Amino acid sequence: DIQLTQSPSFLSASVGDRVTITCRASQGISSFLAWYQQKPGKAPNLLIYAASTLQSGVPSRFSGSGSGTDFTLTISSLQPEDFATYYCQHLNSYPLTFGGGTKVEIK
Amino acid sequence: EVQLVESGGGLVQPGGSLRLSCAASGFIFSDHFMDWVRQAPGKGLEWVGRIRKKANIYTTEYAASVEGRFTISRDDSKSSLYLHMHSLKTEDTAVYYCTRGGGSPPWYFDLWGRGTLVTVSS
Repeated sequence: DIQLTQSPSFLSASVGDRVTITCRASQGISSFLAWYQQKPGKAPNLLIYAASTLQSGVPSRFSGSGSGTDFTLTISSLQPEDFATYYCQHLNSYPLTFGGGTKVEIK
Repeated sequence: EVQLVESGGGLVQPGGSLRLSCAASGFIFSDHFMDWVRQAPGKGLEWVGRIRKKANIYTTEYAASVEGRFTISRDDSKSSLYLHMHSLKTEDTAVYYCTRGGGSPPWYFDLWGRGTLVTVSS
């Protein structure tokens, strides 16, 4: 099975900060990676797919990059509504797996 | 409105069974692979399984943790997805989400339901 390791698992940041979250796969997954945002009590929401393609309706401050085993999600200027938990997911092979999550909190 | 609505969750004893349903609306359900994802209280997301569409003979895939106990089915005529859960364990306690696969083959889950809570406890 492919394992996804997210780091950090928790980060504290201020509005306006540039934030980067990394996701490392235990083996190569090409660009079969998606990023989701989840707010408390809500379902996850797709942000990025195919490692770097922005989902329709998602603000352009979100961006993704990487291929193979190393990926990043960047928020260029953190907004109040961005405080949430972020998950990466691979869709390269079965079983599909998610990273452990990164909780972004207000400093 | 494009949406997925889960139902059927509740309290069940260990060893028991439960069937979850997911009603789709606002899109052509039969065109999509569909997946179930769960989230234990305070924990991360866990993929449960997938059912492909008719062109792929409705084949299924499962996580090892549920293989042999859970079965996914669908009824395209009713735009509905199902999760049949048997031999339930306390560790199956979670919110269960119905999700839609986007892209071909699915590159992502682009639509999620609100989830339904399953509690396995005596």
